[in-house]
Amino acid sequence: EDKVVQSPLSLVVHEGDTVTLNCSYEVTNFRSLLWYKQEKKAPTFLFMLTSSGIEKKSGRLSSILDKKELFSILNITATQTGDSAIYLCAASGNNDMRFGAGTRLTVKP
Amino acid sequence: DGGITQSPKYLFRKEGQNVTLSCEQNLNHDAMYWYRQDPGQGLRLIYYSQIVNDFQKGDIAEGYSVSREKKESFPLTVTSAQKNPTAFYLCASSIRLRPDTQYFGPGTRLTVL
Repeated sequence: EDKVVQSPLSLVVHEGDTVTLNCSYEVTNFRSLLWYKQEKKAPTFLFMLTSSGIEKKSGRLSSILDKKELFSILNITATQTGDSAIYLCAASGNNDMRFGAGTRLTVKP
Repeated sequence: DGGITQSPKYLFRKEGQNVTLSCEQNLNHDAMYWYRQDPGQGLRLIYYSQIVNDFQKGDIAEGYSVSREKKESFPLTVTSAQKNPTAFYLCASSIRLRPDTQYFGPGTRLTVL
């Protein structure tokens, strides 16, 4: 059965901390791994990863995929209160995307 | 402006009533999707359609129905058979057979009283 598992489910940190969010997946005909940020509305796209070992970066956020271990991480450095959100991981097959339950990140001032 | 719209933003219904959620896109996408999100949870797939006049059940299709008569529109009906319909509903569209190109609508929050 296809599944995506994220950990931790919830995380509370202080501004300036670095966090690592985890995502493991098992999806038939895997095509890509996607990360989204959700703040009380529709998810907004962060990264799409298709190749192992190639880090993608956007400002303080970065992500990498390990297709051998079926695993991805999302790193956020120097966290800010504006990073507080639910971070969703999704694995794409041919027909649909399978989402994880999300990690709720809270960044305290 | 190209995009995907959902209406209404908030919807209240009495228990036992059917309700239809609207989803329209002008991105010329062949594929469309409906997801349900419950508090503290990720998105679960209800139905998806890769092409007009064709749709497939997702993981939690029971109590829901859809139609795809036009490329631009993919309405979702929440029937009285859905036992816990209160949730946040998201519609998305993508290039056919490329779900990783999905754009999301703003969502409809349905509350059943």
